[in-house]
Amino acid sequence: EVQLVESGGDLVQPGGSLRLSCAASGFSFSSYAMSWVRQTPGKGLEWVSTISASGGSTYYADSVKGRFTISRDNSKNTLYLQMNSLRAEDTAIYYCAKGSGSHMRIFDDWGQGTLVTVSS
Amino acid sequence: DIVMTQSPDSLAVSLGERATITCKSSQSVLYSSNNKNYLTWYQQKPGQPPKLLIYWASTRESGVPDRFSGSGSGTDFTLTISSLQAEDVAVYYCQQYYTTPPTFGQGTKVEIK
Repeated sequence: EVQLVESGGDLVQPGGSLRLSCAASGFSFSSYAMSWVRQTPGKGLEWVSTISASGGSTYYADSVKGRFTISRDNSKNTLYLQMNSLRAEDTAIYYCAKGSGSHMRIFDDWGQGTLVTVSS
Repeated sequence: DIVMTQSPDSLAVSLGERATITCKSSQSVLYSSNNKNYLTWYQQKPGQPPKLLIYWASTRESGVPDRFSGSGSGTDFTLTISSLQAEDVAVYYCQQYYTTPPTFGQGTKVEIK
């Protein structure tokens, strides 16, 4: 059974930094692209970033480009999202999502999410 | 970015009746070289993450009941629940993965009448 467990969400001040982690189990982590998707009541679901299976390719939403960095450690079966220069509009539940074998952006498994709140 | 627009925003359907949700994309998500529509549907129940129901517009994910079906092509798509069950109360989202960034519809809330 696929399990994705996010951690690292917290209350942080504007301009601050946070690193999210997603521990994966139940599948061959190094064989699949992984993504972060966030959700807010106002903006709904928003794709944040994707990393290829090997980690060699990364993709970002314009809203986070230059501030967020996605990475993975295939030896630890863990996905990361380093979030810098945080803004109030980054407040959301952040989900890690596994890409399917058919296409990297068909999200066939999701974690339970971790809440990031950016506020002074 | 491709804008995904769902309708209605919410609907109430009697148990056992059909529920139909539409999703319209601002440009075609049909890739002509493989004749595939790059469109998924997700179900999200309260307090839970989204769950993949349908991909390639009409392929049901393993384990998804066959009362869920997807159809459409190009820019117009439909998710149909043929006989609504109590456990289908949820918000449903479409998503395109034809281009980067992948984008989601605003969601349709399905309730029991």
